[in-house]
Amino acid sequence: NAGVTQTPKFRILKIGQSMTLQCTQDMNHNYMYWYRQDPGMGLKLIYYSVGAGITDKGEVPNGYNVSRSTTEDFPLRLELAAPSQTSVYFCASSYRSGLAGGPYEQYFGPGTRLTVT
Amino acid sequence: GEDVEQSLFLSVREGDSSVINCTYTDSSSTYLYWYKQEPGAGLQLLTYIFSNMDMKQDQRLTVLLNKKDKHLSLRIADTQTGDSAIYFCAESNSGYSTLTFGKGTMLLVSP
Repeated sequence: NAGVTQTPKFRILKIGQSMTLQCTQDMNHNYMYWYRQDPGMGLKLIYYSVGAGITDKGEVPNGYNVSRSTTEDFPLRLELAAPSQTSVYFCASSYRSGLAGGPYEQYFGPGTRLTVT
Repeated sequence: GEDVEQSLFLSVREGDSSVINCTYTDSSSTYLYWYKQEPGAGLQLLTYIFSNMDMKQDQRLTVLLNKKDKHLSLRIADTQTGDSAIYFCAESNSGYSTLTFGKGTMLLVSP
């Protein structure tokens, strides 16, 4: 299994440009997540999905959009990029281990480093 | 809302024990997690503990949970230079698949 893969690894955008960060997982996980990580700030949840066709906002959704048409893919769209969106973006997927009520073990991709200038 | 707090930095010598601390505010947390992030990489799950437990041991890792004080700690025995990384504490609430992460503790292990 490749696990969670993200493309691109690095990207520089000009203010106002748009782009899509790709995320794919091959573990057949129902749950997928997008986080951003700013220095010294931990991880902030942008959007998440509990299954194909279902998405929901996290803590910091403004300026982003997502879709989940398949179990495997969960792309993150940035429209009208702004310098405040300079960050490292992590995609993750998870399943609920054990019986109902078990922990959600999240598996992370390697991240996309985005700079908006 | 939920909040998870960690100290930002810990420095130890190789062979010593490291203790990383975390406090959380959500009394309905059901699972608490420790993740490790090495430079330039994503987060990797180290271990987790169910909220009705007070201790969990996994090889060199010992997790202690004080539910009354909402305090979680991760002890790494015989710390090695390869343990140098950022360690994140996280919590989840039963019924929700999302996690709330702390800001991370940078562990630096010197030879």
